[in-house]
Order: sequence, then C-alpha cells, then structure tokens
Amino acid sequence: DVKVTQSSRYLVKRTGEKVFLECVQDMDHENMFWYRQDPGLGLRLIYFSYDVKMKEKGDIPEGYSVSREKKERFSLILESASTNQTSMYLCASSPYIIRDPGMNTEAFFGQGTRLTVV
Amino acid sequence: DQQVKQNSPSLSVQEGRISILNCDYTNSMFDYFLWYKKYPAEGPTFLISISSIKDKNEDGRFTVFLNKSAKHLSLHIVPSQPGDSAVYFCAASAGGNNDMRFGAGTRLTVKP
Repeated sequence: DVKVTQSSRYLVKRTGEKVFLECVQDMDHENMFWYRQDPGLGLRLIYFSYDVKMKEKGDIPEGYSVSREKKERFSLILESASTNQTSMYLCASSPYIIRDPGMNTEAFFGQGTRLTVV
Repeated sequence: DQQVKQNSPSLSVQEGRISILNCDYTNSMFDYFLWYKKYPAEGPTFLISISSIKDKNEDGRFTVFLNKSAKHLSLHIVPSQPGDSAVYFCAASAGGNNDMRFGAGTRLTVKP
C-alpha cells in the first residue's frame, strides 16, 4: 500500500512564525503535491514537484515555498504565518507516467495537517 | 477562478436509492477526471476515474459519466449505503501534466 505521511495532524502557530510542514512518501513516486482545503473552496493546489529539486507553482503559491531535497520528502514552508493561512493542508504523491492523451493516474493523499495560526 | 465546479454543497438520499453527484469544468484541455471520497480527519481516497476518450466507466456500485460537449461529469452510486456518507471531490488534469485541480466538494449523506 502507498503510504503518504504528514508529520503532524494538528499544529498551532503564532502569526509571523516560520512554519514547516513535512510530507514523506514510501512508494518512490516522482510527483508530489501540496494542497490546502477550505470550506466552500475545496482543494487548491499550492505547489507541486515532478522531481528532486524541482518545483512548480500551483494556483495559490503566495506566502508559501517548498523544498524537495530528497525524492521521498516534500516540505511546505510558510515563511511568515498569517491567520488567513489557517487551513487543512494535504500532501499527495503520484508516480510519473508518460501522459498519452486521456491517460493519467491517481494521486495518494496523506491524512492532512490542520494548521491554526493565532 | 475555479476550473472545476461542484455546485451542490450537499446531497441527502435514502439508503438503497441512487446518489448522483455532479461536476462541471471550464478548461477544455482537461482530459482525465477523477472522483475522490473524503471522511472527516482523513485524507481523500481515490474512488474512480475516467479518460476523455470514454464516456462511461463503471466499478461496482460506482459509475462515472462524462459529457465532453457539456463539460460535465457525474458520479452515480447505486445502491447508496450509509457508509457512503462522506465528502466527494471531483478532480481533473490536463494534457501532459500530472497535477490535478479539484472542485469544492459535495457532502453526501445516506440515511438508513
């Protein structure tokens, strides 16, 4: 079974703190993703990575950065936490496949980190 | 602007009946669509997917229908069971990319 593990289930941080959210996958997947889930907005893509040391901005990268030094680990960094970054953060991974039209594979998610910024 | 839209925040059905969850998308480049199910305090889990070269995919009680001209897909659950109560997310990916875009989710409640 694919396992995606997020280091914390719940975090409470103060405004202005630098916050690290860690994610590790054990299936040698090339792709890794960070989403945040908010009521009424669903899952929004923050950043993703297709390979070690590679990163791509998603739809809402502002206020975040990422690090992928090893294939199995993808870290999300909140440079200076703000209250509007209070959210559920979800990490996911998927294998790289050659994408013929109409082909893809599913991503596997971690259990989520509920971050509260006070 | 969200490229994947689920306009019904919630749906309630009786056990044994059909549940139909709907999803619309705006990006004509999307060519692979997925449904995920999410229980509280857990990450989403993959349920079923469909390629743009098909218009239907079935897996047990779950069937996904794709109408490319209308940019619409739906998930049918027959028969619905109380254990199906969860939030269902529609997702889509485009072209040669593996990254997915998600809708806002629909909370399904199946009543015994």
